Amino acid sequence: AQTVTQSQPEMSVQEAETVTLSCTYDTSESDYYLFWYKQPPSRQMILVIRQEAYKQQNATENRFSVNFQKAAKSFSLKISDSQLGDAAMYFCAYRRGGGSNYKLTFGKGTLLTVNP
Amino acid sequence: EAQVTQNPRYLITVTGKKLTVTCSQNMNHEYMSWYRQDPGLGLRQIYYSMNVEVTDKGDVPEGYKVSRKEKRNFPLILESPSPNQTSLYFCASSSLAGDNQPQHFGDGTRLSIL
Repeated sequence: AQTVTQSQPEMSVQEAETVTLSCTYDTSESDYYLFWYKQPPSRQMILVIRQEAYKQQNATENRFSVNFQKAAKSFSLKISDSQLGDAAMYFCAYRRGGGSNYKLTFGKGTLLTVNP
Repeated sequence: EAQVTQNPRYLITVTGKKLTVTCSQNMNHEYMSWYRQDPGLGLRQIYYSMNVEVTDKGDVPEGYKVSRKEKRNFPLILESPSPNQTSLYFCASSSLAGDNQPQHFGDGTRLSIL
């Protein structure tokens, strides 16, 4: 079974600085997708960024980027120029490619605090 | 506006009183799924559906039922709720047109079973 591990239950960052959230996963599949979701206090689940395993290039979305290390099964999220609105719980998630279930396997989350 | 709508947003009820949480999506998505979120555990899948009349168990299906009679709706049924089903529940949907389609989540339903 696939597992996703987020080793940092909580992180904090100063406004305008950069922070990196860690995620590792375990799978025997070669075709899969990785995601970072943000959950602010409003409880919504908001997709931040996604990465296809077959792509070597790291995904980037504005201030958010990932460091995808396939051999090491690592998928960290870097937030640059942190803003107060980035404060939230962040979940790393895995989904295998193909198959009959698009199930997302989530990590336990990292609570990010942004200090003014 | 493309969205997944869950109702109710909050519910406090008692053990054994049947309840239904509704989920509706307006994106014509084939795939729909229910997750529960518990502190320190992340989100875990309860049930999923690949299309109308096609449903299957996820990782934590005990105590839940679902149905998919229409493409847009995927209700979650708790026939005899118990306190260990107190949780935050999310419905999600996705298109099956291509493997890289993201899942869209509803705003969540907070259930408290006393």
